[in-house]
Amino acid sequence: AQKITQTQPGMFVQEKEAVTLDCTYDTSDPSYGLFWYKQPSSGEMIFLIYQGSYDQQNATEGRYSLNFQKARKSANLVISASQLGDSAMYFCAMREGTGNQFYFGTGTSLTVIP
Amino acid sequence: AAGVIQSPRHLIKEKRETATLKCYPIPRHDTVYWYQQGPGQDPQFLISFYEKMQSDKGSIPDRFSAQQFSDYHSELNMSSLELGDSALYFCASSLPQGAGDYGYTFGSGTRLTVV
Repeated sequence: AQKITQTQPGMFVQEKEAVTLDCTYDTSDPSYGLFWYKQPSSGEMIFLIYQGSYDQQNATEGRYSLNFQKARKSANLVISASQLGDSAMYFCAMREGTGNQFYFGTGTSLTVIP
Repeated sequence: AAGVIQSPRHLIKEKRETATLKCYPIPRHDTVYWYQQGPGQDPQFLISFYEKMQSDKGSIPDRFSAQQFSDYHSELNMSSLELGDSALYFCASSLPQGAGDYGYTFGSGTRLTVV
């Protein structure tokens, strides 16, 4: 079974508006970490935001916030006040317990329209 | 701040040749991970090392091998290259912590093209 599911292959958003990128995960490990990465066309993988499974509050980092709904196993990324530079691929990822590897979703391509 | 350094950034090889990718982790990071991202694909875990020992193995082909050296840098050796090996290869490094940390930083990747 897929551990990370991103159901939106592509999204469009108007500049200055907010956008939500969906991510659901599957794990039986009570301890896990959820991550969002941005990958621009240049290819590098840029860390955006992290949510731990035991964190009580949703993570926020500047214009990025993570809508963590543990019972639904969802970890949606919200980008507020979109900018043209936000156009990129966005990957949701999970690391379980003390495991070494990250499990990635298939990504969402976000395009910000002027 | 120092980041994860990968070299080379771009590499073009012919089929059946060999390639060596290098990764220099962030200072004090002793765990290194390798990922392969094919065109339009999500990154796939290949292998990881902790304190110079292999700590986990993913979908790494037998034609590939990797090691971590005493200075914690790592090399991914790829032999008998095939067209399907063309991909972006990421290295990441972290401190040896469990879930609950985000000290997992990716390098900029090496783009390997096999022709």
